[in-house]
Amino acid sequence: QKEVEQNSGPLSVPEGAIASLNCTYSDRVSQSFFWYRQYSGKSPELIMSIYSNGDKEDGRFTAQLNKASQYVSLLIRDSQPSDSATYLCAVFSGGYQKVTFGTGTKLQVIP
Amino acid sequence: DVKVTQSSRYLVKRTGEKVFLECVQDMDHENMFWYRQDPGLGLRLIYFSYDVKMKEKGDIPEGYSVSREKKERFSLILESASTNQTSMYLCASRERTSYEQYFGPGTRLTVT
Repeated sequence: QKEVEQNSGPLSVPEGAIASLNCTYSDRVSQSFFWYRQYSGKSPELIMSIYSNGDKEDGRFTAQLNKASQYVSLLIRDSQPSDSATYLCAVFSGGYQKVTFGTGTKLQVIP
Repeated sequence: DVKVTQSSRYLVKRTGEKVFLECVQDMDHENMFWYRQDPGLGLRLIYFSYDVKMKEKGDIPEGYSVSREKKERFSLILESASTNQTSMYLCASRERTSYEQYFGPGTRLTVT
């Protein structure tokens, strides 16, 4: 069974700080990695995709991928109360042909 | 923008009833998915479809069936609803060559 693991949190950060969300995965052949944001009672919304080692920046969000360590992270700079949500890590492994989701990390940004 | 819609946001059914959940996407995506999401268990794949009339079992297909007669529409059927099928049901779609999935708003189903 392919696994994607995240700390469930909650992760609490003060407004304006950097929030760091982490995810590890077990399948070495994983190819594509995604971060979804899910507000309470709502459906997941895709916010970042990353396919190669290194950093990918989009506004206040930076995704980091290290395939050797089987680790992907999401940094949120200048965190805002509106960033308070659960963040889901998702991994696509070509051989398995399906996206596997972690159970999510709950982020709380304290004003 | 990709738009995925689901037939109901909230649904209450009785044990033993047959339940239909519908999903429609407007982006001509080949692949469509049904998940359920439960606290502490995350998103679990029930069924997916990669083409019209094609379907594949996901991780938890028991008690469910699906239908895809048109490319834009993917239906989830609970043949005889049970209380352990009370959950949030999420539909998603994606292009065949992309692995970015887009979700509908979800249906919160309660079976009493």
